[in-house]
Amino acid sequence: EVQLVQSGAVVKKPGESLKISCKASGYSFTTYWIGWVRQVPGKGLEWMGIIYPGDSDTRYRPSFQGQVTISADKSISTAYLQWRGLKASDTAIYYCGRRGMDDAFDIWGQGTMVTVSS
Amino acid sequence: SSELTQDPAVSVALGQTVTITCQGDRLRRYYASWYQLKPGQAPVLVVYGKYNRPSGIPDRFSGSTSGGTASLTITGAQAEDEADYYCNSRDSSDNHYVFGSGTKVTVL
Repeated sequence: EVQLVQSGAVVKKPGESLKISCKASGYSFTTYWIGWVRQVPGKGLEWMGIIYPGDSDTRYRPSFQGQVTISADKSISTAYLQWRGLKASDTAIYYCGRRGMDDAFDIWGQGTMVTVSS
Repeated sequence: SSELTQDPAVSVALGQTVTITCQGDRLRRYYASWYQLKPGQAPVLVVYGKYNRPSGIPDRFSGSTSGGTASLTITGAQAEDEADYYCNSRDSSDNHYVFGSGTKVTVL
């Protein structure tokens, strides 16, 4: 079965670091782009960035450039989204998705709820 | 402001047809894909490309595109179709993606 499984919900304090994961299985991890999407509570979906695990080519939406780091580890078929200094405004659900045919994101992780609160 | 514009909300009577639209200049060059989002669940791809539907998606979901407008039609809406629907396509840079603002579909 083709699937993406994300790491569990976390609660962090402002200023702390965090790395959440998205583990792929059932397909060739290195040949599909993986994107990250944010949903702030009560708001819509926001595109954050995308990585090609085959060569780690990474592209960030300008508003997220420098705010997060997207990476991938081919050896364990896992993509990551990382923060070095969390803010309360980072509180959201984060989804990873696989880009398939015709630019569509056909497989999604279950989402990771990140809560940043003092 | 979003580069893809959607109506905030629509309602449809059970069993009737509803069409959601997504407008944006990049849709003249790229296809839109459509996602269903229910509370507490992951997004689900329902329509993509010119007229494609992933396996497992009911055939009451269909898509079309004309000029800078992509449309998602639910023919014979069911109670379980009540959800938020988002379109997605490339942004003006062509290197990134953007979601529409989302349309809340209520089935009456």
